[in-house]
Amino acid sequence: AQSVTQPDIHITVSEGASLELRCNYSYGATPYLFWYVQSPGQGLQLLLKYFSGDTLVQGIKGFEAEFKRSQSSFNLRKPSVHWSDAAEYFCAVNDYKLSFGAGTTVTVRA
Amino acid sequence: NAGVTQTPKFQVLKTGQSMTLQCAQDMNHNSMYWYQQDPGMGLRLIYYSASEGTTDKGEVPNGYNVSRLNKREFSLRLESAAPSQTSVYFCASSNPDRGNTIYFGEGSWLTVV
Repeated sequence: AQSVTQPDIHITVSEGASLELRCNYSYGATPYLFWYVQSPGQGLQLLLKYFSGDTLVQGIKGFEAEFKRSQSSFNLRKPSVHWSDAAEYFCAVNDYKLSFGAGTTVTVRA
Repeated sequence: NAGVTQTPKFQVLKTGQSMTLQCAQDMNHNSMYWYQQDPGMGLRLIYYSASEGTTDKGEVPNGYNVSRLNKREFSLRLESAAPSQTSVYFCASSNPDRGNTIYFGEGSWLTVV
């Protein structure tokens, strides 16, 4: 069965600093991987997804993620964080139904 | 472009009461899902429907029933609400290919007292 681990429950970052959120997955075949963002009181919005091709994936809002098969990882990055990036971020793997990690809450300080 | 619409957005129930959460999508998707979100737990799949006329259990189905009324609508019913079912519920839809994006509704906040 597939599973996703997000090792960091909470990350605090200064505005303008870089951000990296970790995601490790367990899946027997080629994974279909997603990152979603959830602002407080809102639903989930897709940031980016990977299922084949270039291992560096560009998403919305200036986010990117890199798929590393050897490390079973799909880490999310942003070079310069804005205050509006404060949210909860979820990594997920899709085997006809999404399995989510527990999420990482990002706090942005001025 | 409505996407996935859930109702109600907020509901308070007493223990033992029943209620139905409604979900509709206008994207002509075949698959629909109900997820439960609790702090620190991520989202857990309650039930899903791969196509009209079919439903299957997810990770946490106990205490819930679902109906895929037609291609557009997928409802979640709590027959006898318990405080442990206090949670946020998300409906979602997609076409069934694994690479397809799953689109979420805005959530339904349910409190059982």
